[in-house]
Amino acid sequence: EDKVVQSPLSLVVHEGDTVTLNCSYEVTNFRSLLWYKQEKKAPTFLFMLTSSGIEKKSGRLSSILDKKELFSILNITATQTGDSAIYLCALKAAGNKLTFGGGTRVLVKP
Amino acid sequence: DAGVIQSPRHEVTEMGQEVTLRCKPISGHNSLFWYRQTMMRGLELLIYFNNNVPIDDSGMPEDRFSAKMPNASFSTLKIQPSEPRDSAVYFCASSLRPPLGGAFFGQGTRLTVV
Repeated sequence: EDKVVQSPLSLVVHEGDTVTLNCSYEVTNFRSLLWYKQEKKAPTFLFMLTSSGIEKKSGRLSSILDKKELFSILNITATQTGDSAIYLCALKAAGNKLTFGGGTRVLVKP
Repeated sequence: DAGVIQSPRHEVTEMGQEVTLRCKPISGHNSLFWYRQTMMRGLELLIYFNNNVPIDDSGMPEDRFSAKMPNASFSTLKIQPSEPRDSAVYFCASSLRPPLGGAFFGQGTRLTVV
C-alpha cells in the first residue's frame, strides 16, 4: 500500500525564519510527488516533482525530490504570516492514484 | 475555466437520511478523485475514476457510500443512510492523465450529520 508520511506535524516560526518540511514515501509504481498548500478551504497546487535532484522554485518556496532515499523537502524562506497554512504532500502512483500525507501545519507569527 | 465545481457547499442532515454530493470536474480532465477530510484522519482518498471508470474504491468506508460518474462532466458521491461520523469536508479533484500537472480541487462540501 502506498504511504506518505510528513514531518513535523506542526511548527511555529516567526516572520523571516526559514522552514523545511519533510515528506517521505513508500510506493510501488512512482509517477510524481506533489506539494499543496491548504489555508481555509481547498488545497491549492504548488509543485509537481518527477525527477531526483531538480529543484522546483516559486518565489520563496522551493522543493526537491530524492527518489533514491524516497523523500522530498519543501523550503520556505523569509516566511510571512500569509504562509501560515497546512502543507500537504501527495504521491501519484500508477493508474493516477493520488495519496496524501497527513500534512504539516505551519504557523508564522508576526 | 471555472475550476472544479462542487455542490452543495454546505449540507446539514439528520442521521439516516440520504446525502448526495455533486462534482463537475474541469473540462478536459479525465481523472476524478473524491476525498474526505477530517481533523483526525486528514485527507483520505475515497475513490477515483479514470475516463469515467472507477479504478480504486478501496478507500470507501463501507457499503453506505457509493460513487458514480455517468459522464466526463459529472460525478456523485452518495451516503445512504448517513451517520454522524460521516461529518467531514468532502473534496472532489480532477486532473489530466497522464499527470501533466497537479490535481485541482473543488471548494469542498462541508457535511454535518446530526
